[in-house]
Parts: sequence; structure tokens; C-alpha cells
Amino acid sequence: AQSVTQLDSQVPVFEEAPVELRCNYSSSVSVYLFWYVQYPNQGLQLLLKYLSGSTLVKGINGFEAEFNKSQTSFHLRKPSVHISDTAEYFCAVSVDFGNEKLTFGTGTRLTIIP
Amino acid sequence: SAVISQKPSRDICQRGTSLTIQCQVDSQVTMMFWYRQQPGQSLTLIATANQGSEATYESGFVIDKFPISRPNLTFSTLTVSNMSPEDSSIYLCSARGGNYGYTFGSGTRLTVV
Repeated sequence: AQSVTQLDSQVPVFEEAPVELRCNYSSSVSVYLFWYVQYPNQGLQLLLKYLSGSTLVKGINGFEAEFNKSQTSFHLRKPSVHISDTAEYFCAVSVDFGNEKLTFGTGTRLTIIP
Repeated sequence: SAVISQKPSRDICQRGTSLTIQCQVDSQVTMMFWYRQQPGQSLTLIATANQGSEATYESGFVIDKFPISRPNLTFSTLTVSNMSPEDSSIYLCSARGGNYGYTFGSGTRLTVV
């Protein structure tokens, strides 16, 4: 079975500074990888996903992530954060072969400091 | 991507009662999923709901407690039965569209008193 690890439960960052949110996965088969954002009292919104092809994936709101198969990682980055980026970020993994559910990491709370 | 309307958005219920949560998708989707998000926690999959067959439940979740219906390709319901305060959570439905486009409803915030 697949699993996802988000090592940082909370990340405080000053406004306009860069940020990296870490995500590592474990799976015995090929995976599809996702980052979701959850703003307070809202549902989940897809930031970006990796299915195949280029390992650098660009998403919405200036975020990007890089798939690293050898390190089994899919870290999320943004070069300059804004107050509005304050939210909970979830990394998720899915595999094919008929088992298409998403397995989520424990989440990282990103807090932007003015 | 598909758009999901989920209701109710929140409810406060008495212990021992049941609540049914509805999700309506604006397009036909093969797979729908129900998740629970306990306070301050991540999302845990309750079950996968496919049209025309019984839902597939994850370990720790049973049909008697969380019965699911999937009458067609655009609609599903989750019932939380015989509720206790431990069932207080956010419940989210999700649909898998084309190209692994998973979308989520806005969630149902349930408080059991």
C-alpha cells in the first residue's frame, strides 16, 4: 500500500520569502502525486499534480513542485509567499491498477508572517 | 474539472440520531469517495462509491455505521448513523474525473452533542 509523509506539521514564513513544503511517498508501483490547499473552513483545492512527463510541475497561485523518483519526493515550492497563502497544504498519492483512491499526508500548516 | 455541491454545509445533531449528507456532481463520474477529516487532522478515506455496486469500505469503517448510496453517476449520499460525539468531524465527498482530476465538495461540518 502507498503512504505519504509530510515531515513539517507547521511552517512559518515571512511574507515575500521563499517556501518549500516537503512531501515523501512510499509505494511499490508507479504513483500519481498531488498537492491540495485547504483554506480555513473550506474544501480542498487542487494546486498541481504529477501524472507523467516533465518532473517539474507548475500549478496555480505561483506554486510548483518537482517529482524526484530516486528520493521518492514531491516537494512544493513558491519563490515569494503572500499573506493569502496562509492555509493547510496536503500532499496526496494515487496509484492505478483499479485502486484509484487518494491517500493523504498529515498536512502542513503554512503561516505567513507579515 | 467536475464541480460538486455538498449539503448540508454544517449541522449540530443529537447523539443517537443519524445525518445524511448529499453530494451532487455537475457531470457524470465513475468514482466517488467519502472522506472524514477529524479536527486538526488529515483526510481519511471512509469508502469508495461506484454506481451499480456496493461501496467499498476502508479498514475501520463499516456499512452499518456509514451506509452509502450511489443511485446514478452524478449523485451519492453518506449517512452517519447512531451518532456519538466522536463522530464530530468534517465529511467530504470527492469525485474522480478524467485525467485524474479529483475534485472535492466544500465539506459538511458535523457536531454531535
